[in-house]
Amino acid sequence: EDQVTQSPEALRLQEGESSSLNCSYTVSGLRGLFWYRQDPGKGPEFLFTLYSAGEEKEKERLKATLTKKESFLHITAPKPEDSATYLCALGSGGSNYKLTFGKGTLLTVNP
Amino acid sequence: GAGVSQSPSNKVTEKGKDVELRCDPISGHTALYWYRQSLGQGLEFLIYFQGNSAPDKSGLPSDRFSAERTGGSVSTLTIQRTQQEDSAVYLCASSPQAVSGNTIYFGEGSWLTVV
Repeated sequence: EDQVTQSPEALRLQEGESSSLNCSYTVSGLRGLFWYRQDPGKGPEFLFTLYSAGEEKEKERLKATLTKKESFLHITAPKPEDSATYLCALGSGGSNYKLTFGKGTLLTVNP
Repeated sequence: GAGVSQSPSNKVTEKGKDVELRCDPISGHTALYWYRQSLGQGLEFLIYFQGNSAPDKSGLPSDRFSAERTGGSVSTLTIQRTQQEDSAVYLCASSPQAVSGNTIYFGEGSWLTVV
């Protein structure tokens, strides 16, 4: 059974203080590792898809990386507007259209 | 706008009543998904539609839940005889095609509260 575990559950940073969020997974046939951002009262907003170990993608202050067992979302010099819940999800070969989501990491960036 | 549209955005209903939640996917997207997000839980897959194929209903939690998609576009999720444990955010999403690894785009969700 595909599993996704995100850590930490919550993270508080000062503005400018870089850090990383972790997504550990077990999967039968990875079809994609997704990162989403979710603001309170909103639906998840797509950030990145990673397909194979060693792949990296960047967008503004965010950088996602992937190994065979985990993915990291690195946040460089965060700003208060980066505060949100970050969700990790798997698409797998076992079911090629159901995403398995983690419970998310609530990030708070204080000014 | 061009995004996934859901209605109502908020719904409060009495236990035992039926509710209908509507989703209008992004134009041209053939795949449509319903997920549920309960407090403190990850998103949970409910049902998937792809074109004219039979839907995958394997995530529906009970036979009180059903969904249909008319004309390959708009979808309605129906919950009969609602229970308090049905309280959650119901998220609809769509994607251009069914292949896993293709990005899916979510709507803002329908917040259901059963009292």
